[in-house]
Amino acid sequence: EVQLVESGGGLVQPGRSLRLSCAASGFTFDDYAMHWVRQAPGKGLEWVSGISWNSGNIDYADSVKGRLTISRDNAKNSLYLQMNSLRAEDTALYYCAKVAVPLRVAVAGDFDYWGQGTLVTVSS
Amino acid sequence: EIVLTQSPGTLSLSPGERATLSCRASQSVSSSYLAWYQQKPGQAPRLLIYGASSRATGIPDRFTGSGSGTDFTLTISRLEPEDFAVYFCQQYGSSPLTFGPGTKVDIK
Repeated sequence: EVQLVESGGGLVQPGRSLRLSCAASGFTFDDYAMHWVRQAPGKGLEWVSGISWNSGNIDYADSVKGRLTISRDNAKNSLYLQMNSLRAEDTALYYCAKVAVPLRVAVAGDFDYWGQGTLVTVSS
Repeated sequence: EIVLTQSPGTLSLSPGERATLSCRASQSVSSSYLAWYQQKPGQAPRLLIYGASSRATGIPDRFTGSGSGTDFTLTISRLEPEDFAVYFCQQYGSSPLTFGPGTKVDIK
């Protein structure tokens, strides 16, 4: 059974940092690109960032470029999101998501599994 | 950036009725890389349709995706009680990946 479990969220002051983690199990993690998608309270879905299976391709939304950094450790079946210079508008539930098709060069894809999310609240 | 517009914003229907949801893109979606997701309160999104018209694993055949280019449709042939939810479309043909704002299907 595929499982994605996010952790690391919490309340943080503007300008501070946070690191999110996503622990993956039930599939061959290093075959698949992985993504972070966020959802502000009561709002829609916003794609944040994606990383290819071998970390060779990485992509970011313009709204987070230069502040958020995605990475993965295939040996640990884990995905990360380093969040620096946080702003109030980064407040959201952050989902880890797995692409459906393995071993594609492109980062992009449709997401066949999602975690339950970890909540990040940026407030003073 | 490809902007996705979904209509209507809310669809009020009764169980057993047919639901037709629209997703329109500001530019052509490459290779019909268009997906539909269902999200219920307190839950993560669930993949329904990928490649504009292919049902994901375990999705009932009452869900049908169609369209190409800039106009896409999700049809639910006969609404079941568990289908009342919010539906999002997503394009993954070009960066940045984008989602539509969603259509809420609620009980009339």
